[in-house]
Amino acid sequence: ETGVTQTPRHLVMGMTNKKSLKCEQHLGHNAMYWYKQSAKKPLELMFVYSLEERVENNSVPSRFSPECPNSSHLFLHLHTLQPEDSALYLCASSQDGAADPADTQYFGPGTRLTVL
Amino acid sequence: DQQVKQNSPSLSVQEGRISILNCDYTNSMFDYFLWYKKYPAEGPTFLISISSIKDKNEDGRFTVFLNKSAKHLSLHIVPSQPGDSAVYFCAASAGGGTALIFGKGTTLSVSS
Repeated sequence: ETGVTQTPRHLVMGMTNKKSLKCEQHLGHNAMYWYKQSAKKPLELMFVYSLEERVENNSVPSRFSPECPNSSHLFLHLHTLQPEDSALYLCASSQDGAADPADTQYFGPGTRLTVL
Repeated sequence: DQQVKQNSPSLSVQEGRISILNCDYTNSMFDYFLWYKKYPAEGPTFLISISSIKDKNEDGRFTVFLNKSAKHLSLHIVPSQPGDSAVYFCAASAGGGTALIFGKGTTLSVSS
């Protein structure tokens, strides 16, 4: 595997379910990100991890819980979501973190989430 | 309120002609701008960037122009190719630890 991978690619869940999204980067980067892209809206940054520490939480509801066990893996744990949480969830990584905007972010293909 | 705006949701161009994608921003603190390209079922990929100290950056067929006084940037693709058909996102950063702010994207269709 190369680049940034995400699993699953598609997920349908009920509002009472608990599920997790997984992201893995094979680039040796130190920073990882979760973004949300809802229909007809811009990508919205949710969380940033740098060297496995959360450095940014963009006022995301607590029903989304990130976890970064090491610099290569990032999870997004989902619990009691709402239908309006249905969106494309994208993971990205970069070499050194959000401190340098020239630090190119590499994105995974995303997980298409549908909440029923 | 959106800080980065791509007012054209779509653009259709013939192969070989120039494609011009536009982006406007409202935050005067933005000092770094990027364009990303996204194919269906794939994540966005970095295309080209420009710092606010420049007004033009060129990479092969792709050129980004920045007009700071107008708070406007544009991406020129010339000549356009069918493989350029994708969604193009403009993004901006105020630097030093701030997040990228993305526009909604413009879908470019290049016909042969």
